[in-house]
Amino acid sequence: AQSVTQPDIHITVSEGASLELRCNYSYGATPYLFWYVQSPGQGLQLLLKYFSGDTLVQGIKGFEAEFKRSQSSFNLRKPSVHWSDAAEYFCAAGSGGGADGLTFGKGTHLIIQP
Amino acid sequence: DGGITQSPKYLFRKEGQNVTLSCEQNLNHDAMYWYRQDPGQGLRLIYYSQIVNDFQKGDIAEGYSVSREKKESFPLTVTSAQKNPTAFYLCASSRTGGSSYEQYFGPGTRLTVT
Repeated sequence: AQSVTQPDIHITVSEGASLELRCNYSYGATPYLFWYVQSPGQGLQLLLKYFSGDTLVQGIKGFEAEFKRSQSSFNLRKPSVHWSDAAEYFCAAGSGGGADGLTFGKGTHLIIQP
Repeated sequence: DGGITQSPKYLFRKEGQNVTLSCEQNLNHDAMYWYRQDPGQGLRLIYYSQIVNDFQKGDIAEGYSVSREKKESFPLTVTSAQKNPTAFYLCASSRTGGSSYEQYFGPGTRLTVT
């Protein structure tokens, strides 16, 4: 079965420190991969996506993610976090070129310490 | 401005009543989706539609129904058969085909059934 795992339920980081959020996937073939961010009570905003090609992808708000096929991972990184980055982060995966829905991880709640 | 609207933001119903959640998009997207979000569970796919007058069950379709009579609209009915209907419901849309089909999300509807 297809699955996406985010091992960390909560992560606390000091403002200005670097950040890495982990994501592992289990799919029959290389899936399309996404990172979304959600503020409390809001919808989801796309941070970045990986379809093919360069394994290091850049997104909005200074985020980047690296696809590692050998580790089935797609970790999200940011060199220096800001208090406004506090939110819930979701990794998601989809297969093929058709629009048949995404499989989401359970999310990582990011807390920023002053 | 193009986007996805969901109404209402908060919805309260008595147990045993059917309730319909609205989702409208003006992005000219072919595909639309409904997800359910519960605390600590991530998002789970309820139904999706890739074209007007056609839709498919997602992972947790039991107790829900949808229709897709217009490209812009994809309403979700939560029936009395849904055992645990209280949740945050998110609607999304995307293009189909091509090289990218990231999903864009609405602001969500929080349904409370007592």
